[in-house]
Amino acid sequence: DAGVIQSPRHEVTEMGQEVTLRCKPISGHNSLFWYRQTMMRGLELLIYFNNNVPIDDSGMPEDRFSAKMPNASFSTLKIQPSEPRDSAVYFCASSLGGGIFADTQYFGPGTRLTVL
Amino acid sequence: GDSVTQMEGPVTLSEEAFLTINCTYTATGYPSLFWYVQYPGEGLQLLLKATKADDKGSNKGFEATYRKETTSFHLEKGSVQVSDSAVYFCALSQNTGGFKTIFGAGTRLFVKA
Repeated sequence: DAGVIQSPRHEVTEMGQEVTLRCKPISGHNSLFWYRQTMMRGLELLIYFNNNVPIDDSGMPEDRFSAKMPNASFSTLKIQPSEPRDSAVYFCASSLGGGIFADTQYFGPGTRLTVL
Repeated sequence: GDSVTQMEGPVTLSEEAFLTINCTYTATGYPSLFWYVQYPGEGLQLLLKATKADDKGSNKGFEATYRKETTSFHLEKGSVQVSDSAVYFCALSQNTGGFKTIFGAGTRLFVKA
């Protein structure tokens, strides 16, 4: 399996522009997570989906952020409009789900976002 | 709410030294516990896990035991290598209608040759 795939790997944009980050989870995994990592705040969970349904979006920082999972093999995280403070590495992760114990999360390589 | 506290870094050790990274947690219920490792420029990857009290997770010479009485999951390795230099994250996860994982702040380890 190719693992979790994220695109783009690097994104540089100007303040006010729309940014869309993409994620393809591992085939057969039922749960998908979006995280943001910065030096100041560490690793933060933004939102997670179970069977394509958003379960908890309490980590989404504000209305400028939105996430969708239209099917089991694709998810997007959109920032509109982007601001310099959104600069971070954004990770997508997926897990098998469905059991009584938490499953291992498999992380993608991340998207490094720089907002100028 | 649930939380994970791990020792602050960075931790600097010489090759072949003994490693301990402390991790304690607060949780209602019976979470699963994890250690993830992040190498430079990469995403996190699972190092080891334990799903119930007294379970010991182990991988690549690393070990951690799920201690419910002390709410701890300390990571240990008897002899570190330069290649172990990375950031280590302790984490817990519980079923909240799906599994949400709470990560600690991470501990950076530097191993000198």
